[in-house]
Amino acid sequence: GNSVTQMEGPVTLSEEAFLTINCTYTATGYPSLFWYVQYPGEGLQLLLKATKADDKGSNKGFEATYRKETTSFHLEKGSVQVSDSAVYFCALRVSSGSARQLTFGSGTQLTVLP
Amino acid sequence: EPEVTQTPSHQVTQMGQEVILRCVPISNHLYFYWYRQILGQKVEFLVSFYNNEISEKSEIFDDQFSVERPDGSNFTLKIRSTKLEDSAMYFCASRDGLAVAGELFFGEGSRLTVL
Repeated sequence: GNSVTQMEGPVTLSEEAFLTINCTYTATGYPSLFWYVQYPGEGLQLLLKATKADDKGSNKGFEATYRKETTSFHLEKGSVQVSDSAVYFCALRVSSGSARQLTFGSGTQLTVLP
Repeated sequence: EPEVTQTPSHQVTQMGQEVILRCVPISNHLYFYWYRQILGQKVEFLVSFYNNEISEKSEIFDDQFSVERPDGSNFTLKIRSTKLEDSAMYFCASRDGLAVAGELFFGEGSRLTVL
């Protein structure tokens, strides 16, 4: 089956620190990979995605590279801000059917301190 | 910017009561989803809906659950007889049909507390 394993939280960093949140996956078929973010009191928002091996998704200073050989999609940001405090979810979708759903990881709570 | 809206934002109910959670997906979207997140746990898929019928459902989505698109704009999740373990945040999502890896747009969630 499909599953996503991501780094346990919570993660607490100082402003301008480097962020890595690890994510690995198992999938039947060839998945698309996603990072979603949930800010306090808000819904899940797509942060970035990658649809094939070696693709790099990027948005708002965050990056993640689809690594097929290590089945990973780690999220990185060079310099975090207080406004990045949120819960981050890694997810995959195997596109073998048009209505396919996302499989999520357990989420990682990030708190950035000023 | 178009968005998915959900109501209520929080509902408290007694065990055994029926609950209906409502969602208004983005207007030109074709695929609709319900997910739930029990506190401290993963976001779990419940059901997907396309062309006025369920296209896929998880093992969580048993006979106590049903979905409906009653009027072409709303998309509802009904729980017939709530149990304590149904307490969770329920997320509605929708997407268009233009790309297989198209983005799912999520609502802010409806928190259900079953006492």
